[in-house]
Amino acid sequence: GAVVSQHPSWVICKSGTSVKIECRSLDFQATTMFWYRQFPKQSLMLMATSNEGSKATYEQGVEKDKFLINHASLTLSTLTVTSAHPEDSSFYICSATGLSGNTEAFFGQGTRLTVV
Amino acid sequence: GQNIDQPTEMTATEGAIVQINCTYQTSGFNGLFWYQQHAGEAPTFLSYNVLDGLEEKGRFSSFLSRSKGYSYLLLKELQMKDSASYLCAAMDSNYQLIWGAGTKLIIKP
Repeated sequence: GAVVSQHPSWVICKSGTSVKIECRSLDFQATTMFWYRQFPKQSLMLMATSNEGSKATYEQGVEKDKFLINHASLTLSTLTVTSAHPEDSSFYICSATGLSGNTEAFFGQGTRLTVV
Repeated sequence: GQNIDQPTEMTATEGAIVQINCTYQTSGFNGLFWYQQHAGEAPTFLSYNVLDGLEEKGRFSSFLSRSKGYSYLLLKELQMKDSASYLCAAMDSNYQLIWGAGTKLIIKP
């Protein structure tokens, strides 16, 4: 099956710094990538949808200036958490769909972010 | 609005069968997904249904009724490693996944 690679798997950063998470589709072209956040014992929450070459569409309540998403190519999307705070500590997961939209979404391994 | 409902938690015995139900309401419909998620890990794809009926894949089967907005995941011959959360997600007309809150499945010996 298709592979989505997400890096890093885990990261610890100081409060006030920025962290970049990469999501790559290794063997297919991902026209759409989704970024999710999951707090402990809760379901996945969609943060934003990004289409290659255009601005991301953010869900209500998600700060665009804090969570910067870039989808510059068909194989790479990045999420940058700017000026991170302890409450941003969470599990971040990306997923991607290919050119034929009604297929399964392929997930990255997830990134556990801890802000201290 | 768009909504997915599934039970919060279920308990079953090793070797038994369990059925996890999911009802959905979405703007348009492009399929119903089931994912398994172990604690601290990303979800793993289990099944995708877009047509009515039962799809069998080893010990796991998934059923869909589009007219009823209903799906279930059937797990047979339960093993301890099946203890996990099972997420139901419906894809709407914009190809976005609408997620349920997940069903925590506890397997007892």
